[in-house]
This record gives sequence, structure tokens and C-alpha cells, in this order.
Amino acid sequence: AQSVSQHNHHVILSEAASLELGCNYSYGGTVNLFWYVQYPGQHLQLLLKYFSGDPLVKGIKGFEAEFIKSKFSFNLRKPSVQWSDTAEYFCAVSSEYGQNFVFGPGTRLSVLP
Amino acid sequence: DTGVSQNPRHKITKRGQNVTFRCDPISEHNRLYWYRQTLGQGPEFLTYFQNEAQLEKSRLLSDRFSAERPKGSFSTLEIQRTEQGDSAMYLCASSLVGTPAYNEQFFGPGTRLTVL
Repeated sequence: AQSVSQHNHHVILSEAASLELGCNYSYGGTVNLFWYVQYPGQHLQLLLKYFSGDPLVKGIKGFEAEFIKSKFSFNLRKPSVQWSDTAEYFCAVSSEYGQNFVFGPGTRLSVLP
Repeated sequence: DTGVSQNPRHKITKRGQNVTFRCDPISEHNRLYWYRQTLGQGPEFLTYFQNEAQLEKSRLLSDRFSAERPKGSFSTLEIQRTEQGDSAMYLCASSLVGTPAYNEQFFGPGTRLTVL
């Protein structure tokens, strides 16, 4: 069965600090990988996704993630966070054709002004 | 049509009552998913439809949970004989199979259920 783990439950950073949120998954086949964000009081939005090709993917708002197949990882990064990045971040994995979609438990990011 | 809509946004019910939630996906989307999200957790997949066919329902939490998508457009999720443990946010998402972005799901705002 697929599973997703996220390394940190809550991360607190100051503005302009660099961000890296860890995500590891377990699945024995071809996967699609996603990072979703949930801002306070809003619904889930897609930040970025990996289907195939270049393992370094760029998303919205300056976020990027790197798929390392050998490590079953898909870590999210941002070189300089802003207060407006305060949100809950979810890593997710699906099988190749989207039959099984599994979310991680989420990482709450608090950015201090 | 600007996104996925869900109704009602909040539902408070007494234990033992039945509840039904509605999801209207993005109009051209043919795949529709239901999730449950509890506090501090990520969304938990329940079931999904492609058009009107329910392709996966083994993850529905119990036989008290059922979902329909009779005409391949909107969907309903019903919980019978609600229990306090059913209190959660119920999320709906949709996607368009047959495009490069087929696996990109767009989420609605959710229905928050409180069972007293």
C-alpha cells in the first residue's frame, strides 16, 4: 500500500529564511507526486507536481521540488520565505493513472515577520 | 463555473441521523474524488468516480458511507446513522482524465460535519 511521510509537523522560520520540507513515500510502481498548500481558511491548492521528465520541478510562488527516485523523496524548497507563505503543506502521491491518491499528514509552516 | 463547489459548507447533526453532502465539480471534469480530513491530518481518500462509474469504493470507512454520481456530473456522499467519530471535513476534488494534467485534482472548500 502507498504511504507518505512528512518529516516535520511544524516548522517556524523568520522571513527571508530558506525552506526545505521533507517528503518520503513508499510505492512499488510508477508514481506521480504533488505538493498542495492550504492557506488559513482556504481550500487546498496545487503548488507543483511531478509526472515524468526533469526531476526538478518548479511551481507557483517560487517553490520547487526535487524528485529523487533512489531515495523515494520529493522535498519542497523555497530560497526565501515570506510571511504570506504561512500555511499547511501536504505532500501527496498517486499511482500512474491516479487510481490511488495518498496524502501525507502535512507540515504546518509559520513564518514570523 | 470557477471551481469545485460543495454544499452545505457546515452541517451539525445529532448522532444517529443521516446526512448527505453534495459536490459539483468543474463542469468539464470527468473524474470526481471524495476525501475526509480530520484535524491535524492530511486528506484521506474515500472513493472516486470516472463519469458515473464508481471505480474505487473499498476505502469508504464503513457500510454507513455511500456515494453516488448518477449522471456523471454532481455527486453526493451520504453517511447513515452518524457517529461522533464521523465529525470531520469532507472534501471533494475533480480532475479531467485524458489530458496531460489528468491527475491534477482541484479541491472544493469542503463540508464540515459536526456530530453531537
